[in-house]
Amino acid sequence: GESVGLHLPTLSVQEGDNSIINCAYSNSASDYFIWYKQESGKGPQFIIDIRSNMDKRQGQRVTVLLNKTVKHLSLQIAATQPGDSAVYFCAENRAQGGSEKLVFGKGTKLTVNP
Amino acid sequence: EADIYQTPRYLVIGTGKKITLECSQTMGHDKMYWYQQDPGMELHLIHYSYGVNSTEKGDLSSESTVSRIRTEHFPLTLESARPSHTSQYLCASSGRGGAYITDTQYFGPGTRLTVL
Repeated sequence: GESVGLHLPTLSVQEGDNSIINCAYSNSASDYFIWYKQESGKGPQFIIDIRSNMDKRQGQRVTVLLNKTVKHLSLQIAATQPGDSAVYFCAENRAQGGSEKLVFGKGTKLTVNP
Repeated sequence: EADIYQTPRYLVIGTGKKITLECSQTMGHDKMYWYQQDPGMELHLIHYSYGVNSTEKGDLSSESTVSRIRTEHFPLTLESARPSHTSQYLCASSGRGGAYITDTQYFGPGTRLTVL
């Protein structure tokens, strides 16, 4: 069935390095994508979003890239810090039966080593 | 931090008890959602509401029920808790409201439920 998923369940990087977290989606009709960060014991926190009419969007230390041709989404974190350690989820906004729902991927756990 | 609140944060309860998980938001959002999440796993939508007196079941079947009598309040109830209900329950909201981005869902801190 259709799903939003991530290529790697875990990612370990050194402090100061750049991190890239990937996500594949299968519904070509999805028009909005969001990256969330979830720290242990907390709810998901919005990081950055992108609409399907864009291929790149930048925030503070984060960049999201969208490749609609291969249905691929990535989150790039520059100069990764220990506070970036968390599970990162991509979410896809899908229209279903007159309503719109977010479908979440399985998450990638990012560990930043000092 | 989004203005969405959940209580209790942690709940340990025996089998057969009735429980209500509270969720409130002060962002003026019209849409609210409940997700279930097992540790380290993805979120699964179990209920949503697009406004007062509107509730729908999500993609994951759940024995819980919800109500939406007030815009800011979206409680979830389990009439008879069982060990299989042990999980984290996350509430979210979205919609028009101040400086918040439309369509983006903002999450509460979650309630971790353990049923013995």
